Amino acid sequence: EVVLTQSPGTLSLSPGERATLSCRASQSVSFLAWYQQKPGQSPRLLIFDASSRASGIPDRFSGSGSGADFTLSISRLEPEDFGVYYCQQYGGSRWTFGQGTKVELK
Amino acid sequence: QVQLVESGGGVVQPGGSLRLSCAASGLTFSNYGMHWVRQAPGKGLEWLAFIRFNENNRYYADSLKGRFTISRDNSKNTLYLEMNSLRAEDTAVYYCTKDQNQYRWTDDAFDIWGQGTMVTVSS
Repeated sequence: EVVLTQSPGTLSLSPGERATLSCRASQSVSFLAWYQQKPGQSPRLLIFDASSRASGIPDRFSGSGSGADFTLSISRLEPEDFGVYYCQQYGGSRWTFGQGTKVELK
Repeated sequence: QVQLVESGGGVVQPGGSLRLSCAASGLTFSNYGMHWVRQAPGKGLEWLAFIRFNENNRYYADSLKGRFTISRDNSKNTLYLEMNSLRAEDTAVYYCTKDQNQYRWTDDAFDIWGQGTMVTVSS
């Protein structure tokens, strides 16, 4: 099973700052997605295939990486961007999530 | 708009069974692969099971050890999860979610999620 490790566990930032989230896989993965989840809400797809933005996602969100090393960047944090972010790998008929990175207001 | 609505959650005793349903609307349900994902209280997301759009393939997380069964009724636009031999560690919010693309024969990301249904396993 592919294990995804996200870092840092918590990111404390102010609105307007840049956020950089990391996701490392235990082996090379075929595809990677990023989701955002706010308290009491269902997850929302942000990025798929490592770097493609999902429908309706602002361009301040960007994904990069390949193989086993991936990054989600938020160029300028807006108040609505605070929450937990999960990476997910898909391929080989198994889907696994990272443990999440919490982006909190500093 | 596309909507997924889960139901069937509740409190069940250890060793018991439960069947969850997910009613889909606003899309051609039979064209999409579907999944169940759960989230234990205060924890992260765990993928559980997948069923292909035409029911030809079903995949499960190894951790389930054959206790859960995913199925669908395309004539009713409904996805199901049959859960048996439930344990305290199965306590979670259970979400249904769909493949992003239609007729997908390779793995896909999840673009629409239901609101979730809570399952509590406790005596």
